[in-house]
Amino acid sequence: NAGVTQTPKFQVLKTGQSMTLQCAQDMNHEYMSWYRQDPGMGLRLIHYSVGAGITDQGEVPNGYNVSRSTTEDFPLRLLSAAPSQTSVYFCASSTGTDYGYTFGSGTRLTVV
Amino acid sequence: GNSVTQMEGPVTLSEEAFLTINCTYTATGYPSLFWYVQYPGEGLQLLLKATKADDKGSNKGFEATYRKETTSFHLEKGSVQVSDSAVYFCALRSGGATNKLIFGTGTLLAVQP
Repeated sequence: NAGVTQTPKFQVLKTGQSMTLQCAQDMNHEYMSWYRQDPGMGLRLIHYSVGAGITDQGEVPNGYNVSRSTTEDFPLRLLSAAPSQTSVYFCASSTGTDYGYTFGSGTRLTVV
Repeated sequence: GNSVTQMEGPVTLSEEAFLTINCTYTATGYPSLFWYVQYPGEGLQLLLKATKADDKGSNKGFEATYRKETTSFHLEKGSVQVSDSAVYFCALRSGGATNKLIFGTGTLLAVQP
């Protein structure tokens, strides 16, 4: 049982480049979310999805796009990377209000 | 909007000391409450949860009680170990249409032998 799988684990980008962070879950969870973690700021919600074909913005959506074409996958796209997007990114999935989210192991992104 | 406030760290304790990490929340309706733990270099793991008022979540010797009257969900452990050193996050899930999980800023716990 793989849970939530994120790729890549590490990435270095140059300013202005674009890339996609991949996230896949095999638990048939309807809810999926992307967070970024920065020192002293906890985890901030970027985008989330309540099911295939449905996405919405979180606290810090600027500079990021998402889509949810299948239940399993929820990729996060950086359109034009900026140094301010240097962070650790976590994908998570869940089912039902009473349940916690299961987190992936994270992607450490550095933008130079 | 919904929010979570945690005590600032770092919290430094000696092994076998009593731990309390304070967490209060602001939310409409009846959220579910969670504590997550993040060990160095790892992702987040669910530590415990409570889904309604007066529920007590517990796991690995940690406990937290959902107090609606004080909007609190403080984390406690009677005797900490060096292996408990980690960052602890309080979080709430609001339910409704969005079911978003909102985190506090985290509290670093360092346990010294």
